[in-house]
Amino acid sequence: AQSVTQPDIHITVSEGASLELRCNYSYGATPYLFWYVQSPGQGLQLLLKYFSGDTLVQGIKGFEAEFKRSQSSFNLRKPSVHWSDAAEYFCAVGARRTGRRALTFGSGTRLQVQP
Amino acid sequence: NAGVMQNPRHLVRRRGQEARLRCSPMKGHSHVYWYRQLPEEGLKFMVYLQKENIIDESGMPKERFSAEFPKEGPSILRIQQVVRGDSAAYFCASSPSPEQTSGNTIYFGEGSWLTVV
Repeated sequence: AQSVTQPDIHITVSEGASLELRCNYSYGATPYLFWYVQSPGQGLQLLLKYFSGDTLVQGIKGFEAEFKRSQSSFNLRKPSVHWSDAAEYFCAVGARRTGRRALTFGSGTRLQVQP
Repeated sequence: NAGVMQNPRHLVRRRGQEARLRCSPMKGHSHVYWYRQLPEEGLKFMVYLQKENIIDESGMPKERFSAEFPKEGPSILRIQQVVRGDSAAYFCASSPSPEQTSGNTIYFGEGSWLTVV
């Protein structure tokens, strides 16, 4: 069964600083990988996704993520954080077979941005 | 192009009552997923449905919870005899059929927050 680990429950960075949120997955083959962001009381917005090809994926709001097969990781990065980036970030993995299409989510990383 | 629509956004029920949460998928999407998010936790998969079929209900509690996605109308997540532990945010998501996409990107609704008092 697939699983996702986000080892950092809570991260605080200063506005303008760089950001990296960690995500490790467990899956028997190359998975589909996603990052979603959730603001308080809101739904989930897709930031970016990896299906195949270039392992460095660009997303919305200046985010990017890199798929590293050897490390089973899909870390999210942003070179300069804005105060509006404060939210909860979820990494998710999806299976490539149609019989199990639902995503498995990590427990999330809450990002706080200091002025 | 409307997104995934969920209603009600907020629902308060007394213990023992029934809760019904509705979800209309994005236009053209034939697959619906329900997830539950308990306070301070991530999203847990509950059930995956296509029109008139439950494909995967491995995440559904064995009792009191049921889901349907009829031929016409929205998908419904039904919780009977609610208890305080059912208080959570329930998210619906939808995706196109596998033949229409090279990957299983799913799009989420804004969620329905259930509070059991």
